Amino acid sequence: DSGVTQTPKHLITATGQRVTLRCSPRSGDLSVYWYQQSLDQGLQFLIQYYNGEERAKGNILERFSAQQFPDLHSELNLSSLELGDSALYFCASSRGGIAKNIQYFGAGTRLSVL
Amino acid sequence: TQLLEQSPQFLSIQEGENLTVYCNSSSVFSSLQWYRQEPGEGPVLLVTVVTGGEVKKLKRLTFQFGDARKDSSLHITAAQPGDTGLYLCAGGQTGANNLFFGTGTRLTVIP
Repeated sequence: DSGVTQTPKHLITATGQRVTLRCSPRSGDLSVYWYQQSLDQGLQFLIQYYNGEERAKGNILERFSAQQFPDLHSELNLSSLELGDSALYFCASSRGGIAKNIQYFGAGTRLSVL
Repeated sequence: TQLLEQSPQFLSIQEGENLTVYCNSSSVFSSLQWYRQEPGEGPVLLVTVVTGGEVKKLKRLTFQFGDARKDSSLHITAAQPGDTGLYLCAGGQTGANNLFFGTGTRLTVIP
């Protein structure tokens, strides 16, 4: 158990809809990262938050947004969903906010857009 | 843009065989990490290397960071079925907060 909690584990929805994925980081970790993994491939970095503020942005679509709340949990919002958005979405947390800090991953949310 | 290419993409071997997975890039990384991911779970960190030429061993796994810090390899000796999984390399660059993940190598060890 990594200590990172992601909910829900599975999400099935239709095109055009909006969903929210939730992540609770490990206790004491200030940084949260969101990744997308399609078809068992490598992870694509989406966005990072550190202590409530956006720290880095990757290949995140304009239809997607995220935020980190004062209690440090984070939410990833996906809107106007398309079939191609079907993927595993992972959240990771780390103590600090730089790349060499160890990232601990949650078990992921599997999103299926039908 | 995919900064890290892994090879092979798929690997199926018999228990007891040795194997090497490669992670290559044209970019320099300040640190390189290897993760293993099992079905239904998130990636789990195996090792971090930060010095060019560095070699780290973790039981039957040997990790090497290239001298120029542009590539890395993972060698598994006497593979076991428990080694089955998706192996991911990930690089960190100075000035960047996030990791750049490789394309992944899916390893299957057949009993």
